[in-house]
Amino acid sequence: AQRVTQPEKLLSVFKGAPVELKCNYSYSGSPELFWYVQYSRQRLQLLLRHISRESIKGFTADLNKGETSFHLKKPFAQEEDSAMYYCALSGLPGGGNKLTFGTGTQLKVEL
Amino acid sequence: GAGVSQSPRYKVAKRGQDVALRCDPISGHVSLFWYQQALGQGPEFLTYFQNEAQLDKSGLPSDRFFAERPEGSVSTLKIQRTQQEDSAVYLCASSFRRPPHRETQYFGPGTRLLVL
Repeated sequence: AQRVTQPEKLLSVFKGAPVELKCNYSYSGSPELFWYVQYSRQRLQLLLRHISRESIKGFTADLNKGETSFHLKKPFAQEEDSAMYYCALSGLPGGGNKLTFGTGTQLKVEL
Repeated sequence: GAGVSQSPRYKVAKRGQDVALRCDPISGHVSLFWYQQALGQGPEFLTYFQNEAQLDKSGLPSDRFFAERPEGSVSTLKIQRTQQEDSAVYLCASSFRRPPHRETQYFGPGTRLLVL
C-alpha cells in the first residue's frame, strides 16, 4: 500500500527564515512525488514534481529514496508563501495515476 | 482557457437525501478523478475515468456512491441516502493524457457537502 506522511499540521516561521516542510512516503515501486499548494480561497494547484527538478517560487524538493523522503525547502520565506501544502504520491500507471495525499501542513509566515 | 469547474459549490442535504455533484473537466482531458476531502485531512481517491470508462472505483466508500461519465467529458458523482459521515469537500481533477504518462492533475474548486 502507498502512504504519505506529513508530520507537522502547522509550521510557523518568520519572514526571511528558511522553511522545510517534511514529507515521508512508503511505496514498494517507483513512485512519482508531488507537492500541491492551496492558497486561501483558491483551488489545489501543483507546486512542483520531482521528475521536473524545477525550482518554483523559490521552492525545491529532492527525492531521497534511501530515506523515502521528499521534503520541501525554501531558503527565505515570504509572506505570500502562507498556504496549505500537501505532499502526494502517484504509483504505477496501473493505478491510473491516482494520487495519495498526506494530511497537509499549514505554513504560516509571520512578519 | 477555462479550468475544471464543479457545481454546486455548496450543498446542504438532509440525512437520507440523494445528491448529485457535477464536474466539467478541461476540454480534451482524457483522465478524470474524484477525491473526497474530510475536514483536516488530505484528499482521498474515490474513482478514476479514462474517457467514459470507469477503470478504478476502489476508493468509493460504499455502494451508496456512484459515478458516471457517459460521454467522456462531464462527470457526475451521486451519493444516495446521504449520511453525516459523507460531509466533506468533493474534488474533481482532470489530466490530458492517459497512463503510463504521469501528467499533472488539474483540480476544480470542489463541492462542499454538508449532511444534517
